[in-house]
Amino acid sequence: EIFLTQSPATLSVSPGESATLSCRASQSISANLAWYQQKPGQAPRLLIYGASARATGIPARFSGSVSGTEFTLTISSLQSEDFAIYYCQQYDKWPIFTFGPGTKVDIK
Amino acid sequence: EVQLVQSGAEVQKPGESLKISCKASGYSFSGFWLGWVRQMPGKGLEWMGIIYPGDSGTRYSPSFQGQVTISADKSINTAYLQWSRLKASDTAMYFCVRHSSSGWCDSWGQGTLVTVSS
Repeated sequence: EIFLTQSPATLSVSPGESATLSCRASQSISANLAWYQQKPGQAPRLLIYGASARATGIPARFSGSVSGTEFTLTISSLQSEDFAIYYCQQYDKWPIFTFGPGTKVDIK
Repeated sequence: EVQLVQSGAEVQKPGESLKISCKASGYSFSGFWLGWVRQMPGKGLEWMGIIYPGDSGTRYSPSFQGQVTISADKSINTAYLQWSRLKASDTAMYFCVRHSSSGWCDSWGQGTLVTVSS
């Protein structure tokens, strides 16, 4: 079974600053990782798939990258609507998928 | 436009059975895997399992195997998640999700809150 760890658990950022979120896989998953954003009381929404491809309608300030088993979500110039919880998900071991525990991005 | 519309909130007692639904529209229901995701109060997302409505093939996370049953009725474009005997620990929000052909969740239902309490 593949495990995902996300760090930090909470990230405090001022509006306009950048945020860097990490997701590490317990084994190689190629680029088979997605990122989701969840705001309170809402369903999650897809941000990034294939480690770095933005989903339809996602602003360019969201970007993803990968180095080995370390995945990064970068949010440049945080807007008020970006304060949320972010989850990564691996889909390499089809059809069994796993989510990471999440990173909460809150206002500093 | 892809839409997943889930059934309404449920309040049930421990030991009771329950079946919640997810009605899909805007795409070929039989051609995409549909999954279920649990979110316990104040906690993260847990992937439970999926079904391919075209042939009703199912796969479950080891954590949920034997605890729930996923099914689908392609004649009405609806997927289901059911429990035979609810426990208090089943209290959670449940989301249905459409999986892309590669595996990421490209559409989400609005969620169904299940509360199990005596």
